[in-house]
Amino acid sequence: QVQLVQSGAEVKKPGASVKVSCKASGYTFTSYGISWVRQAPGQGLEWMGWISAYNGNTNYAQKLQGRVTMTTDTSTSTAYMELRSLRSDDTAVYYCARVDDSSGCFDYWGQGTLVTVSS
Amino acid sequence: SYVLTQPPSVSVAPGQTARITCGGNNIGSKSVHWYQQKPGQAPVLVVYDDSDRPSGIPERFSGSNSGNTATLTISRVEAGDEADYYCQVWDSSSDQWVFGGGTKLTVL
Repeated sequence: QVQLVQSGAEVKKPGASVKVSCKASGYTFTSYGISWVRQAPGQGLEWMGWISAYNGNTNYAQKLQGRVTMTTDTSTSTAYMELRSLRSDDTAVYYCARVDDSSGCFDYWGQGTLVTVSS
Repeated sequence: SYVLTQPPSVSVAPGQTARITCGGNNIGSKSVHWYQQKPGQAPVLVVYDDSDRPSGIPERFSGSNSGNTATLTISRVEAGDEADYYCQVWDSSSDQWVFGGGTKLTVL
């Protein structure tokens, strides 16, 4: 069965960076893209960006351009999301999701990783 | 950028039908996907491409999309359907995925 397993919770200081991992299993990793979505406490879903696991092409949300980098390691079927220059309003649960490229829907999701930014 | 508008809340009695709307400019020309999110859990895809259901999603969940409004319909609502629901589209003009603000479904 398809599974996306994310790394554990992080606490960071303002100005630091965080890197969250998302290990995929149960499908051919390079046949699907991965998107990252975050959710601030009590708020809705915010799309952060997408990466092709096939060729590494990326598409980032305009709001996060310059602060976010998404990568993949096909040898371990793992996707990564790094966010730099963290601010308090980056405190959120971060999700990875598999993208069905034919429809554009996010058909499987990771369990989420809480990132807390606090001095 | 493209904006999707959802009502903040919808309430319905058990056994009745819940309709959650998602408004957007000419949204009928786009494919709409719907996600259910229960407290403390990751979102789950319940409808994709306007009206298709992933395997394992009950037939009680259905969707439609026309004009400026897409609708998620939940028939014979159960207590377990209480959750937040989000619509989503791909905005080709900005090459971005967009989520609606979410609707909290309360089962009375």
